[in-house]
Amino acid sequence: DTEVTQTPKHLVMGMTNKKSLKCEQHMGHRAMYWYKQKAKKPPELMFVYSYEKLSINESVPSRFSPECPNSSLLNLHLHALQPEDSALYLCASSQSSVQGPEAFFGQGTRLTVV
Amino acid sequence: GIQVEQSPPDLILQEGANSTLRCNFSDSVNNLQWFHQNPWGQLINLFYIPSGTKQNGRLSATTVATERYSLLYISSSQTTDSGVYFCAVFFLSNTGKLIFGQGTTLQVKP
Repeated sequence: DTEVTQTPKHLVMGMTNKKSLKCEQHMGHRAMYWYKQKAKKPPELMFVYSYEKLSINESVPSRFSPECPNSSLLNLHLHALQPEDSALYLCASSQSSVQGPEAFFGQGTRLTVV
Repeated sequence: GIQVEQSPPDLILQEGANSTLRCNFSDSVNNLQWFHQNPWGQLINLFYIPSGTKQNGRLSATTVATERYSLLYISSSQTTDSGVYFCAVFFLSNTGKLIFGQGTTLQVKP
């Protein structure tokens, strides 16, 4: 099983709302990632968790708050977003974040901020 | 700086044609992957290929790590091959970051 599951698939939120994106994997992977993808652009790395600890934050604004409650789950908490934050948010996992193991992606959450 | 460059940016083929997509990278790598992104946004793993050659049906890939490039071959293309093809790389010097190229958008016409 190489499945990474993201919920919800679609989300519309207002600029004053608080919402969360969820990601789950049961492959025993110890690294999990959040990427943001705008239309007609490649995915851009936001955060990396390694063994449930935040190891990389690509200077992401604080209105995005990641959380890794356990080795299978990754959340992205959203608060006071702007319309320009509308994008496809992709979660990925791999065995680790070093030595370059194969990464697997979820189907994404398409977020619209109104 | 660290770069991943893909060519061509866009490609239009007639069904049944063959094509070659290229990925150049600027530094030594731990890992190189090829993905196909379908119209719904799902990134589908095609190949994990830090070096050497692999084949999977009508698709094959070759990475020449010493010369810092990888090629994805699509033979006898089908309309379902349409979409965006990305290569993504873990650089040795930038541990923990899987960095994507800009992608090649492929359209296969019936």
